[in-house]
Amino acid sequence: NAGVTQTPKFRVLKTGQSMTLLCAQDMNHEYMYWYRQDPGMGLRLIHYSVGEGTTAKGEVPDGYNVSRLKKQNFLLGLESAAPSQTSVYFCASSWRGYNEQFFGPGTRLTVL
Amino acid sequence: KQEVTQIPAALSVPEGENLVLNCSFTDSAIYNLQWFRQDPGKGLTSLLLIQSSQREQTSGRLNASLDKSSGRSTLYIAASQPGDSATYLCAGDNNAGNMLTFGGGTRLMVKP
Repeated sequence: NAGVTQTPKFRVLKTGQSMTLLCAQDMNHEYMYWYRQDPGMGLRLIHYSVGEGTTAKGEVPDGYNVSRLKKQNFLLGLESAAPSQTSVYFCASSWRGYNEQFFGPGTRLTVL
Repeated sequence: KQEVTQIPAALSVPEGENLVLNCSFTDSAIYNLQWFRQDPGKGLTSLLLIQSSQREQTSGRLNASLDKSSGRSTLYIAASQPGDSATYLCAGDNNAGNMLTFGGGTRLMVKP
């Protein structure tokens, strides 16, 4: 039982490049989330999903897109990376809303 | 908009001391309150979840309380150990159950 896993662990991009971060969970959770963590700003919700095929905006969605084609996977995409997107990205999942959230190990992204 | 504050930002104590970490929130309509631990360069580990109808939760040497009327939660750590050194984060769930708002964290150092 791996819990929540994230791929890749580290990535360096140049401004304007695109990439996709993959989150996978094996707990059969309905809800999945993407957060970013920045010094002095704490953790902030980017997008979330309440089930397969659904997505919704969180607190800081601009510049990101997401997809949830399979229940166990939640993808976060950056179409044209900007230095302001340099951050540590965390994926989380929960059985449903109001339940305990379980976090992945994070992806450290640097945009030059 | 919900705001979550954790004071102090950093705390250093000798091993064996009992300690209390504080978390305050502005909107008493908070639903659940979750406490996490984060080790440097790692993801978040869920410690305790206090649901709306509860006032406290206990796990081993940890006890968390929630007072919605005063907008406060506390995490009590008994008989602290060097292995407890980490950043502790609290987060409140909104009424829709789809967003956690995080505090800035308290960085705890337990000295042998």
